[in-house]
Amino acid sequence: DVKVTQSSRYLVKRTGEKVFLECVQDMDHENMFWYRQDPGLGLRLIYFSYDVKMKEKGDIPEGYSVSREKKERFSLILESASTNQTSMYLCASSSQRGWQETQYFGPGTRLLVL
Amino acid sequence: RKEVEQDPGPFNVPEGATVAFNCTYSNSASQSFFWYRQDCRKEPKLLMSVYSSGNEDGRFTAQLNRASQYISLLIRDSKLSDSATYLCVVPTDGGATNKLIFGTGTLLAVQP
Repeated sequence: DVKVTQSSRYLVKRTGEKVFLECVQDMDHENMFWYRQDPGLGLRLIYFSYDVKMKEKGDIPEGYSVSREKKERFSLILESASTNQTSMYLCASSSQRGWQETQYFGPGTRLLVL
Repeated sequence: RKEVEQDPGPFNVPEGATVAFNCTYSNSASQSFFWYRQDCRKEPKLLMSVYSSGNEDGRFTAQLNRASQYISLLIRDSKLSDSATYLCVVPTDGGATNKLIFGTGTLLAVQP
């Protein structure tokens, strides 16, 4: 079974703090993704990565950065957290490129920025 | 037009009912489509893929109408355990990059 884990299920941070969200997958997948999910807006892609040290902006990258130093790990960084970054953050992974590959999601991190 | 559009519901149906959800998409170049299921406070999981005109898996049938650019999900003989949000998903870039666009989801509540 594919397993995608995220470092925290719940996080509470203060405005201006630097926040690290970590994601690890155990299936040797090339592709990894970070989404945020908000009511009425659905899942929106923040950043994705096709390979180690490679990253591409998604639809809403502003205020975020990512790091992929190892194939199995993809980190999302909020450089200076703001209240509008309160959200559910979901990491996903998939193998290869191409539309046939299922994305497997982690359990999500609920982030509250005060 | 939104890239992927779904009726948010909620759809409240009794056990045993047949229910159908529609989803429209704007990118006519899209070749494949997916339905994901998301339980309350859980992550999305793949339910079905749709590559040609449709796909059937037990009580679930997904159909594709390319001319009208919509896909549908039909659930027969609804169970309580079918209660969830159903996400319509369309690859962007014609599918070349595995980058997906998610609809906002349709909430199904199956009542006893």
